[in-house]
Amino acid sequence: GQQVMQIPQYQHVQEGEDFTTYCNSSTTLSNIQWYKQRPGGHPVFLIQLVKSGEVKKQKRLTFQFGEAKKNSSLHITATQTTDVGTYFCVEGSNYKLTFGKGTLLTVNP
Amino acid sequence: DTGVSQNPRHKITKRGQNVTFRCDPISEHNRLYWYRQTLGQGPEFLTYFQNEAQLEKSRLLSDRFSAERPKGSFSTLEIQRTEQGDSAMYLCASSLAGINEKLFFGSGTQLSVL
Repeated sequence: GQQVMQIPQYQHVQEGEDFTTYCNSSTTLSNIQWYKQRPGGHPVFLIQLVKSGEVKKQKRLTFQFGEAKKNSSLHITATQTTDVGTYFCVEGSNYKLTFGKGTLLTVNP
Repeated sequence: DTGVSQNPRHKITKRGQNVTFRCDPISEHNRLYWYRQTLGQGPEFLTYFQNEAQLEKSRLLSDRFSAERPKGSFSTLEIQRTEQGDSAMYLCASSLAGINEKLFFGSGTQLSVL
């Protein structure tokens, strides 16, 4: 798998504020997946993006795949305390899914 | 679908001892993965099985680590002569090979080497 860089490493927001995490690669990605890991929990699959420029929405979450397939973003609108956790982008070449270091989101109620 | 099951949930051992973890994947899943995660880091790939065949093993994995999936169902991960640096959460995941492949993780085994 290729190395993906994720920023920011940490993000603290007030409940109701928006949040965005970015995932970047120096090479073209075949696809990108996003996972969420709650504190003390295990990673849970959120979404997979495959096509250039793809945008997918899940309620307050919006996922984008860059036109060049070298970057991706996850945007959360109006954060809630239930959004707390670490969000990982995962590059998947063939079978070997390589996790980034993740962005830890904390939400102040 | 009972999910991915891992046992034990926690393991405390003394340095130099051998430990073995078990993973029961989702029954129809043909792919099984082992990852290791330390605090503040993302899961790190260790090894991968397709059915009973171990197709790749991370270069980071020393020869003290061995994994098996004898009948293409459950898998075991053994660590011999444990070291303090082996302390981590060991996560198992399974998937069904395909275009929209996604990993289903178990709750992990937390290993503490004293």
